[in-house]
Amino acid sequence: GAVVSQHPSRVICKSGTSVKIECRSLDFQATTMFWYRQFPKQSLMLMATSNEGSKATYEQGVEKDKFLINHASLTLSTLTVTSAHPEDSSFYICSAKIGRGIGADEQYFGPGTRLTVT
Amino acid sequence: AQSVTQLDSHVSVSEGTPVLLRCNYSSSYSPSLFWYVQHPNKGLQLLLKYTSAATLVKGINGFEAEFKKSETSFHLTKPSAHMSDAAEYFCVVSDQNTGFQKLVFGTGTRLLVSP
Repeated sequence: GAVVSQHPSRVICKSGTSVKIECRSLDFQATTMFWYRQFPKQSLMLMATSNEGSKATYEQGVEKDKFLINHASLTLSTLTVTSAHPEDSSFYICSAKIGRGIGADEQYFGPGTRLTVT
Repeated sequence: AQSVTQLDSHVSVSEGTPVLLRCNYSSSYSPSLFWYVQHPNKGLQLLLKYTSAATLVKGINGFEAEFKKSETSFHLTKPSAHMSDAAEYFCVVSDQNTGFQKLVFGTGTRLLVSP
């Protein structure tokens, strides 16, 4: 149980175009989803926290107008990279958390999406 | 802010020998700590977590970690390495300032296992 999928797994796009990445919780409802970015041989950096039905909360330094996050249902969150540039090339990973509230609830991670902007 | 430091970027062991991956944390409060493993082209998988219960935490695949407050450490160990253990390992602390919502990742340790 607690499987999170991401689509696509890899995407190549041209500079200036937009790319949408989907994150789905397959067998549970995720009230909170998180989007991370991982550069080669580096750690995961949290980009934003997304609660179903409300606006995402972005980490300092992350452009909310460039990285659009929508969490329209309890099983789907999307990240849209708008007007992508080569420096946006990275590995994007989502995670989902069951339930709300204070507590060290486990996050379940998707397999990631490799974005390459040419 | 809470943080974790993984002391080794790479650890190499032979199959059948013990594994030790080191992690030190910084926290003003009693932290929640995790170890995640990342295999190539796969999602991160939780190995184990510490949430102020028993200080010795047993996880999946024979891994365990011990929370030592006096040393601010949460090292990951396994008695005998298997080839399938080769992967990237992340020590993670949950950020109490955000009600334990956010995870703060260490820089990762790549475990290499030779035959």
